[in-house]
Amino acid sequence: KNEVEQSPQNLTAQEGEFITINCSYSVGISALHWLQQHPGGGIVSLFMLSSGKKKHGRLIATINIQEKHSSLHITASHPRDSAVYICAVLKTSYDKVIFGPGTSLSVIP
Amino acid sequence: EPEVTQTPSHQVTQMGQEVILRCVPISNHLYFYWYRQILGQKVEFLVSFYNNEISEKSEIFDDQFSVERPDGSNFTLKIRSTKLEDSAMYFCASGGNTQYFGPGTRLTVL
Repeated sequence: KNEVEQSPQNLTAQEGEFITINCSYSVGISALHWLQQHPGGGIVSLFMLSSGKKKHGRLIATINIQEKHSSLHITASHPRDSAVYICAVLKTSYDKVIFGPGTSLSVIP
Repeated sequence: EPEVTQTPSHQVTQMGQEVILRCVPISNHLYFYWYRQILGQKVEFLVSFYNNEISEKSEIFDDQFSVERPDGSNFTLKIRSTKLEDSAMYFCASGGNTQYFGPGTRLTVL
């Protein structure tokens, strides 16, 4: 069983829609990352969370440690948000990152 | 802002050849990592490196793979005799609780 799961696997949205991507994990963690990967492959870190909620521009990430669940929200989605969004966790500080399978988002004008 | 860099961005090689992928981590970081992503699959951990030695490695990281920090700045991944299935994107990362990822090297084995 995968230690990090994401849903949905694929998501198509109209420009302007509010988007939610979910992540659940089965292990104790010290931190959770949300990452973005564009075609061409580079990985960009969006957020690192250990509790609560963080906001950056139109992106909001939340985490519920007790429920082992995190969500990434995108408000007022735009075609340039089209990418793969990856949830990834660290069990302990300085540990390897365990990656989820990614959610492929396509925002249509 | 400091960043992790990787060279080359794309490497094409013949099966059986040796390749060396290079990474320059962020200068004050002490922990270094290599990850791999086969096309269409999720990113997988290969190896972590601290204090000039491997701290953890995955099942993927067999005897064909080695890592080295040959000087104070570079961190390299060597694949001794490449196989077709080694074709993937290879990411270097440095840091600790927050890991900073390089842009990746796309390795194509023909």
